[in-house]
Amino acid sequence: KQEVTQIPAALSVPEGENLVLNCSFTDSAIYNLQWFRQDPGKGLTSLLLIQSSQREQTSGRLNASLDKSSGRSTLYIAASQPGDSATYLCAVKGSGGGADGLTFGKGTHLIIQP
Amino acid sequence: DTAVSQTPKYLVTQMGNDKSIKCEQNLGHDTMYWYKQDSKKFLKIMFSYNNKELIINETVPNRFSPKSPDKAHLNLHINSLELGDSAVYFCASSPRTGVVHSPLHFGNGTRLTVT
Repeated sequence: KQEVTQIPAALSVPEGENLVLNCSFTDSAIYNLQWFRQDPGKGLTSLLLIQSSQREQTSGRLNASLDKSSGRSTLYIAASQPGDSATYLCAVKGSGGGADGLTFGKGTHLIIQP
Repeated sequence: DTAVSQTPKYLVTQMGNDKSIKCEQNLGHDTMYWYKQDSKKFLKIMFSYNNKELIINETVPNRFSPKSPDKAHLNLHINSLELGDSAVYFCASSPRTGVVHSPLHFGNGTRLTVT
């Protein structure tokens, strides 16, 4: 059974800092990995999707990497801003794990201090 | 012009009642989903559905049933509500059935409170 773990559970940093969020998964047989952002009272917004054959994806100040063999992904946020404050969720799509094969981590709650 | 919309946003009801949550997507997507996020913020798939196949997560009680009148709608019916059903329920959709690399688009969630 696939398990996804995100570290740290919460993180608070001053504005302007670069930061890294971590995601690990137990079963490396995945199709892809997605990073989502969830704002309070809102749904999830897909940030980046990395296919299993890819090593990284970039969107603006966000860079996500994937090391499938070691079961790890990182989300790098450059020059953090208060608007980046949200919960960041990692999810992997594999051959098992439920109705659509998507297994979520519990998220990292990020606070960027102005 | 919301892509995936759910109603109601909040739902408070008593144990034993039957309730429905509606979901509509205007993205032309083939596949829709229901997820449950519990008090610990853990997000779990409940159902995925396209016009051909309903896939049910084995942990979902049969009191929960999805109903799809057409490709753009997937409503969630819950019978005999229990306290443990209190959670936030999210609807989502993805572009094409069988396409593995399809990012999910989520609605804003329905917070269900059972008293």
